[in-house]
Amino acid sequence: GAVVSQHPSWVICKSGTSVKIECRSLDFQATTMFWYRQFPKQSLMLMATSNEGSKATYEQGVEKDKFLINHASLTLSTLTVTSAHPEDSSFYICSALVGIFSYEQYFGPGTRLTVT
Amino acid sequence: GENVEQHPSTLSVQEGDSAVIKCTYSDSASNYFPWYKQELGKRPQLIIDIRSNVGEKKDQRIAVTLNKTAKHFSLHITETQPEDSAVYFCAARSSGNTPLVFGKGTRLSVIA
Repeated sequence: GAVVSQHPSWVICKSGTSVKIECRSLDFQATTMFWYRQFPKQSLMLMATSNEGSKATYEQGVEKDKFLINHASLTLSTLTVTSAHPEDSSFYICSALVGIFSYEQYFGPGTRLTVT
Repeated sequence: GENVEQHPSTLSVQEGDSAVIKCTYSDSASNYFPWYKQELGKRPQLIIDIRSNVGEKKDQRIAVTLNKTAKHFSLHITETQPEDSAVYFCAARSSGNTPLVFGKGTRLSVIA
């Protein structure tokens, strides 16, 4: 149980275009999802917390107009990287909680974004 | 907010030896402390976790200890094997819908 999927697993896009990444909880309802970014040889850095039906909460330094997060249902959250630039190239990983009393966060497989 | 420090950043051990990775956290409200193993290009894989009401937990060759007073927790891997080579992350979070905060990671190399 507690499976999280992401799509696509990898994407290459041109500078200036937008890319949407989907994160789905397959066998549970996720009231809260988190988006992390991981640059090569670095740790996972939290970008934003997404609660179903409400606006995402962004971490300091993360541009909310550039990284659009939508959590329209209990099983789907999307991250859209708008006007992507090469410095946005990274590994994006979503994570979900199974209810607010849950301890463990379940991670998606990640999406490798390369902006050329 | 929470801040997690992890040491060392790299660790090389001979096969069969033990490896220890240490983390400290800052938020006394944190009550969940997982450890993850991450291989290149893959998602973090939970290998063991501990909650604040427990001081030690063991699962075969892996153990975690927690000192709430000192706000630090450690991962111990005994009888290391080459397949233990990976990057290990500690993390911490409090209850509710707060996110995990990760340490910077430790690259473990087990030399055969």
